[in-house]
Amino acid sequence: QKEVEQNSGPLSVPEGAIASLNCTYSDRGSQSFFWYRQYSGKSPELIMSIYSNGDKEDGRFTAQLNKASQYVSLLIRDSQPSDSATYLCAVEGANNLFFGTGTRLTVIP
Amino acid sequence: ETGVTQTPRHLVMGMTNKKSLKCEQHLGHNAMYWYKQSAKKPLELMFVYSLEERVENNSVPSRFSPECPNSSHLFLHLHTLQPEDSALYLCASSYSDRANYGYTFGSGTRLTVV
Repeated sequence: QKEVEQNSGPLSVPEGAIASLNCTYSDRGSQSFFWYRQYSGKSPELIMSIYSNGDKEDGRFTAQLNKASQYVSLLIRDSQPSDSATYLCAVEGANNLFFGTGTRLTVIP
Repeated sequence: ETGVTQTPRHLVMGMTNKKSLKCEQHLGHNAMYWYKQSAKKPLELMFVYSLEERVENNSVPSRFSPECPNSSHLFLHLHTLQPEDSALYLCASSYSDRANYGYTFGSGTRLTVV
């Protein structure tokens, strides 16, 4: 059984701070990793993908991958109240993606 | 219309009813998925269709029956459901040979079984 583990939170950060979201996975063979954002009552929205060890930056978002440690993280710089949502980590499987339970982030104005 | 569209958005049904959820994608994808999202649980994969063939059935009870008539449409037929089946049902699509590009999700159907 492939597993993706996330701290469910809630994680609260003040506006303008850096939010750090973490995820570990069990399948060493996984090659593709994703972060989805899900606002309350809405469907998940893909915000970042990462395939190689190291950092990948896109605007205020940085995804970090360490395959040796089976660890992937998402940093959100200059956090805004509009970033308040649940963030889902997803890991590629044979025919589908495996998701974590998500981390609920609240950015306090 | 673009993206992945799911209907209905909300559904309340009795345990003896029969209903169907519909999903339509306008992205040119050729793989479609049904996921169930319950509170405090990970998204649970239910069914995968790739090139209109079912490639995964994740030990889902037979009261859920999928149908994929073509690469743009996916249905989930429901009958004699239980209250524990109440959840958000999400449809997603992707390219079957490029699933590592991620999925696009529909808005979901919020199902309540009474």
